[in-house]
Amino acid sequence: EIVMTQTPLSLSVNPGQPASISCKSSQSLLHSEGKTSLYWYVQKPGQSPHLLIYEVSNRFSGVPDRFSGSGSGTDFTLKISRVETEDVGVYYCMQSVELPLTFGGGTRVEIK
Amino acid sequence: QVQLVESGGGAVQPGGSLRLSCAASGFTFSDSGMHWVRQAPGKGLEWVSFIRYDGSNKYYADSVKGRFAISRDNSKKTMYLQMNSLRAEDTAIYYCAKVGSGWYGVDYWGQGTLVTVSS
Repeated sequence: EIVMTQTPLSLSVNPGQPASISCKSSQSLLHSEGKTSLYWYVQKPGQSPHLLIYEVSNRFSGVPDRFSGSGSGTDFTLKISRVETEDVGVYYCMQSVELPLTFGGGTRVEIK
Repeated sequence: QVQLVESGGGAVQPGGSLRLSCAASGFTFSDSGMHWVRQAPGKGLEWVSFIRYDGSNKYYADSVKGRFAISRDNSKKTMYLQMNSLRAEDTAIYYCAKVGSGWYGVDYWGQGTLVTVSS
């Protein structure tokens, strides 16, 4: 199975400052159809996960433009340009190029 | 809007069984592959099972293979997870999740249902 490694484990950020989360996969996430199957989710306290970014860099409906995704192959990054208090939660990357779906271990984002 | 509502969770003794349901609305259920994903208390996300849009193919994590069975009824817009021979390590919140793009990518998650396996 594809192993997803996320860093850091946690981030403490001042409001208005940027934040960056890295996700590395053990093999390429480039699908035979030409798309790269890397997703980012946030799980806010007491909630289920919500989709932020799909296929590396596409913001999902309603996601603020302060969230952006980048990367290719096996290295990916989620950036929050200016962290807001509502961004508190655990962020997960996930690969869906093959089953089993696998997730990074999560990055907890807190506000200083 | 898309809604996924899980039910059927609860407390069960080791070796027992439960059947989870996921009722879908707000999208064409019969066009969408569906997953079950679980999250043990305080832990990360673990994929459990996938079923194709028409139920023709089903896949399972090794940890549940032979014990769990996924199914769907497109006429009722509902997916199921039959869980047998439950173990303590199956204790988790179980989420149903809808495929949005590609073969397996998830765009929406339900609110989850808690399964507790304990004597």
